[in-house]
Amino acid sequence: AAGVIQSPRHLIKEKRETATLKCYPIPRHDTVYWYQQGPGQDPQFLISFYEKMQSDKGSIPDRFSAQQFSDYHSELNMSSLELGDSALYFCASSLRTGVGDEQFFGPGTRLTVL
Amino acid sequence: KNEVEQSPQNLTAQEGEFITINCSYSVGISALHWLQQHPGGGIVSLFMLSSGKKKHGRLIATINIQEKHSSLHITASHPRDSAVYICAAYLFFGNEKLTFGTGTRLTIIP
Repeated sequence: AAGVIQSPRHLIKEKRETATLKCYPIPRHDTVYWYQQGPGQDPQFLISFYEKMQSDKGSIPDRFSAQQFSDYHSELNMSSLELGDSALYFCASSLRTGVGDEQFFGPGTRLTVL
Repeated sequence: KNEVEQSPQNLTAQEGEFITINCSYSVGISALHWLQQHPGGGIVSLFMLSSGKKKHGRLIATINIQEKHSSLHITASHPRDSAVYICAAYLFFGNEKLTFGTGTRLTIIP
């Protein structure tokens, strides 16, 4: 069965550079979520999209932006990278059926900022 | 204080032992995920439940909404079960985002 795809799997950037992370949800899933997991920390919700519209927002820095495209894939754009942005970034997808939809997680993108 | 808490934080057991990981939450929830994260980092959804009990192979998850408590059990544990287990809940007032517990690091010794 198709799973959530994230690319790239690993990314190394310098401070102040820009990074773009991509997420391809499971086919027919209409909702995408982004999470950030710092070293030794719990995942933290960043932002979610439903039917290409932002549906919820968490602790996402202003330097980050995201969108969901017509094919439902999503991109997380991170600018002016800081050392503290080094983390594992997960994308998850679900099919909206109501409150409490099962989320399926991608393998994550490990971002290292030097 | 986290709205979703897990215990224990770390658990080491011998192969074959019965494992229980607990998750409690302080606010109302609509559903709860049990997730598994291996050292490589990938997260796998084991269960999502809003009431009762679910079983998949050697894994059993239970939830008691009134008592605000869920448990994950592993029967006949095996070294390949070694991972971090995370409960994550949909809070009633959290819209659609998951609120994660602190995770339980399980190590099964052969």
